Amino acid sequence: DGGITQSPKYLFRKEGQNVTLSCEQNLNHDAMYWYRQDPGQGLRLIYYSQIVNDFQKGDIAEGYSVSREKKESFPLTVTSAQKNPTAFYLCASSTPDRGGSEAFFGQGTRLTVV
Amino acid sequence: QKEVEQNSGPLSVPEGAIASLNCTYSDRGSQSFFWYRQYSGKSPELIMFIYSNGDKEDGRFTAQLNKASQYVSLLIRDSQPSDSATYLCAVKVSGGYNKLIFGAGTRLAVHP
Repeated sequence: DGGITQSPKYLFRKEGQNVTLSCEQNLNHDAMYWYRQDPGQGLRLIYYSQIVNDFQKGDIAEGYSVSREKKESFPLTVTSAQKNPTAFYLCASSTPDRGGSEAFFGQGTRLTVV
Repeated sequence: QKEVEQNSGPLSVPEGAIASLNCTYSDRGSQSFFWYRQYSGKSPELIMFIYSNGDKEDGRFTAQLNKASQYVSLLIRDSQPSDSATYLCAVKVSGGYNKLIFGAGTRLAVHP
């Protein structure tokens, strides 16, 4: 079955640690996105990528980094520079072939600082 | 300036009534608009998408788009308690990079 897989589902980070969230899709989508969601809030865009080896900063990129070496994969690293990383992280993908194709989401990773 | 605005709610409606959810956006060049439903603790799931001015119906859901007013809405007819969730409006902004921006969401509560 085609879909987007995020792992792990739950992640705990110690102060000062870098952690990497995985996002893999087998939908053959070119565009991929990372969002952060805080309790009771909407989705805020961290990074997005339209094609392999290209990505753009979203609205809250500070303290995060990404790579897009393969079409299927778009991992997000939460660095120690991100001072308040506790949140729900969502990865999505879409095809930009048409002007308005919808984005599909993974199940999310809940990150907690301990 | 926020690019996509929604009333955070909660919007409370009785079972069987019509729920009306509204969204405004700032990028006049946007061409694609989406409504997602998100249950607590879950990831968003697509309800409707609309690209052209006017209405688009799918079962109990109707999306309405007015590009001149930069306004998109979602109507839910015969609301059910299972419709209780947060509804997120999303806009794919213009500029060639497929940037997808979400509003903060409107929480809908349907009471029996």
